[in-house]
Amino acid sequence: KQEVTQIPAALSVPEGENLVLNCSFTDSAIYNLQWFRQDPGKGLTSLLLIQSSQREQTSGRLNASLDKSSGRSTLYIAASQPGDSATYLCAVNSGNTPLVFGKGTRLSVIA
Amino acid sequence: GAGVSQSPSNKVTEKGKDVELRCDPISGHTALYWYRQSLGQGLEFLIYFQGNSAPDKSGLPSDRFSAERTGGSVSTLTIQRTQQEDSAVYLCASSLSSETEQFFGPGTRLTVL
Repeated sequence: KQEVTQIPAALSVPEGENLVLNCSFTDSAIYNLQWFRQDPGKGLTSLLLIQSSQREQTSGRLNASLDKSSGRSTLYIAASQPGDSATYLCAVNSGNTPLVFGKGTRLSVIA
Repeated sequence: GAGVSQSPSNKVTEKGKDVELRCDPISGHTALYWYRQSLGQGLEFLIYFQGNSAPDKSGLPSDRFSAERTGGSVSTLTIQRTQQEDSAVYLCASSLSSETEQFFGPGTRLTVL
């Protein structure tokens, strides 16, 4: 059974810092991995999707990497801003099954 | 409407009543998923549709929960005889296929008094 773990559970950083969020999964037989952002009381916004054959994806200040064999992904946020404050969720797609989510990392960027 | 839409956005009901939640997926998306998120908890999978059929209902917590999808598009999640523990945000997602990126709706916040 696939299990997804996110570390740390919460993170507080000053504005302008670069930061890394970690995600690990137990079964490497995946189709893709998605990183989402969730603001309080809101739905999920897809940030990046990495296919199993890819090593990384970039969108603006965000860069996500994937090491499928070791069951790890990281989300790198450059030059963090207060508007980046949210909960970041990692989810793994093994195909014909629902996404398996981690419990998220709650990020606070302090101005 | 480019994204997934859900209605209502908020629903307050009394214990024992039935509720219906609606999801309109992105046009052309064959896969549709229901999840729920309870306060302070992670996302819990409920049911998955491929077209109009539901190959995976394993997440439905009890027989009070049911869902259907018609015309390969709109889906409704029905909760009968609601209980206080059903209070949560119910999220719907759709994707082109079960192996592609999932897009989420804004959710329905259900409160059972």
